[in-house]
Amino acid sequence: LAKTTQPISMDSYEGQEVNITCSHNNIATNDYITWYQQFPSQGPRFIIQGYKTKVTNEVASLFIPADRKSSTLSLPRVSLSDTAVYYCLVVTGGQNFVFGPGTRLSVLP
Amino acid sequence: NAGVTQTPKFQVLKTGQSMTLQCAQDMNHEYMSWYRQDPGMGLRLIHYSVGAGITDQGEVPNGYNVSRSTTEDFPLRLLSAAPSQTSVYFCASSTRQGMNEKLFFGSGTQLSVL
Repeated sequence: LAKTTQPISMDSYEGQEVNITCSHNNIATNDYITWYQQFPSQGPRFIIQGYKTKVTNEVASLFIPADRKSSTLSLPRVSLSDTAVYYCLVVTGGQNFVFGPGTRLSVLP
Repeated sequence: NAGVTQTPKFQVLKTGQSMTLQCAQDMNHEYMSWYRQDPGMGLRLIHYSVGAGITDQGEVPNGYNVSRSTTEDFPLRLLSAAPSQTSVYFCASSTRQGMNEKLFFGSGTQLSVL
């Protein structure tokens, strides 16, 4: 399973765009990149997933360069309610999900 | 639209007691798993199941037992609770279908062992 590295914590202010970068140098051809969000006292929830280039949904965008050795989760115009822990996972279909410590995002007023 | 349901939400045990954490899902997912989460850490996989009658160990299985008699239910048993098992426990399920695979989590059980 490919190991991921992401910052332990980040601070931002309301209304700013937040970019969280994840490194996954040994990602395999069949792996895809998935991000989860966890609020206090809740289980993680899926926010976005991609294989290459750019993926956008109603919550976030995911940018993946051609070499796929890193990915960036972009949260546009964050609010206080975006304060959470964000996990980057590299997943091979049918294998177990491995969660690292994640990035603790604090959005300040 | 229940999704993954965990009970109880909170539990306090004394060292040596046994208990079962319940997990049920109504999405007909083949794959179910149990994680524990300790302060400041990510989630660590305890046990998982790829279908009824099939279970396997994850990263931290010691002290825990599981069984999967139906697709819907995946209980986690602590046979003799220890203070080191104080943690928040999450159950999760997924379709396990490659590219579109997503984990769906329950709301967690906060367990304290005194």
